[in-house]
Amino acid sequence: DAGVIQSPRHEVTEMGQEVTLRCKPISGHDYLFWYRQTMMRGLELLIYFNNNVPIDDSGMPEDRFSAKMPNASFSTLKIQPSEPRDSAVYFCASSLGQGEYEQYFGPGTRLTVT
Amino acid sequence: GNSVTQMEGPVTLSEEAFLTINCTYTATGYPSLFWYVQYPGEGLQLLLKATKADDKGSNKGFEATYRKETTSFHLEKGSVQVSDSAVYFCALTYPFSGGYNKLIFGAGTRLAVHP
Repeated sequence: DAGVIQSPRHEVTEMGQEVTLRCKPISGHDYLFWYRQTMMRGLELLIYFNNNVPIDDSGMPEDRFSAKMPNASFSTLKIQPSEPRDSAVYFCASSLGQGEYEQYFGPGTRLTVT
Repeated sequence: GNSVTQMEGPVTLSEEAFLTINCTYTATGYPSLFWYVQYPGEGLQLLLKATKADDKGSNKGFEATYRKETTSFHLEKGSVQVSDSAVYFCALTYPFSGGYNKLIFGAGTRLAVHP
């Protein structure tokens, strides 16, 4: 398997623009996670899905952020409108299960909002 | 609440030196404990894990023992290599509502190994 695939790898956009990040999890994995990594706040869980259903979105910063998983092989994280403080690396991860199961991370999308 | 505390970095070592990165946790119940590693420009990957007290996780020469009495899961390696330079994250899972679990990470410790 190719692993978790994220696109784009880098995104530079202006404040106020809409940004969509994409993720393809590993086939057969029932769980999908979106994380944000910054120097100030470290690695934060934004939202996670089980069988395409959002389980916990308490980490989503505010209403400007939304995530969807229309099918088992695709998820999006959208920011609208984007702000400079959203600049970060966004990771998608997937796993077969939860608890002691390993999470497999994608390479991340580095977002810069100017 | 549930949390993970790691020693601050960066940790700078010479090749073949002994490595210890401290990790302590606060959790209700009996969490599973993990070390993840992040190489430059990449996502995190699991290095090792332990799911119950006194378990020892090991991989690629790294080891960590789940110590319930001291709520610790320190990472050790007897002889580091330049290729071990990375950021290391301690993490734990804890029960969430509805029978689900959440994984939380420490702040990460950067390791730099010089020849």
